[in-house]
Amino acid sequence: SQQGEEDPQALSIQEGENATMNCSYKTSINNLQWYRQNSGRGLVHLILIRSNEREKHSGRLRVTLDTSKKSSSLLITASRAADTASYFCATDFVREYGNKLVFGAGTILRVKS
Amino acid sequence: GAGVSQSPRYKVAKRGQDVALRCDPISGHVSLFWYQQALGQGPEFLTYFQNEAQLDKSGLPSDRFFAERPEGSVSTLKIQRTQQEDSAVYLCASSRTYGFEEETQYFGPGTRLLVL
Repeated sequence: SQQGEEDPQALSIQEGENATMNCSYKTSINNLQWYRQNSGRGLVHLILIRSNEREKHSGRLRVTLDTSKKSSSLLITASRAADTASYFCATDFVREYGNKLVFGAGTILRVKS
Repeated sequence: GAGVSQSPRYKVAKRGQDVALRCDPISGHVSLFWYQQALGQGPEFLTYFQNEAQLDKSGLPSDRFFAERPEGSVSTLKIQRTQQEDSAVYLCASSRTYGFEEETQYFGPGTRLLVL
């Protein structure tokens, strides 16, 4: 079963606009990661935010984490057509036997040029 | 440098047929993961190797699924007597260390399996 849910399920915006995707999860985590997936390149790691962090930036990406609400958001600013992809959040549990990523169902982003 | 590679990229199998999916992780990576991704869903964990040791197989859906990594590098996921519900993309990922730290998992392109 999946850990969390992304919202919205699908998002269509114009190039240059910002895109915001949300993720909710169910149990305590060590960190939360965002991945992008498109048909050409498979799953690509975008950004990791630790459970004791509230916000993190990487280029045009901004991630927030609210552990009290068990939710995270990914903001992509000044979107480009190349940002068209599915975006997944994944929660990471550090265990004795290796990390185990638990993914949400994803948000499909379409950026129109 | 070379990333994670998987073969075949596409596989069509008749129901009841056995299939073998191969994963070549990034050279030197200790940890190797298999995930199953159904259409329209996120990947779901199947199994985890630390070198040649399979330390977690809690996600394998049935005893028809078997994975191995005999020399601690290449891994094979085998599905026996395939069923239509096995149709999915099978993703392999590797990471550098033992997983006690936060580690980025590097994913391969996946093998898309269709069972008719």
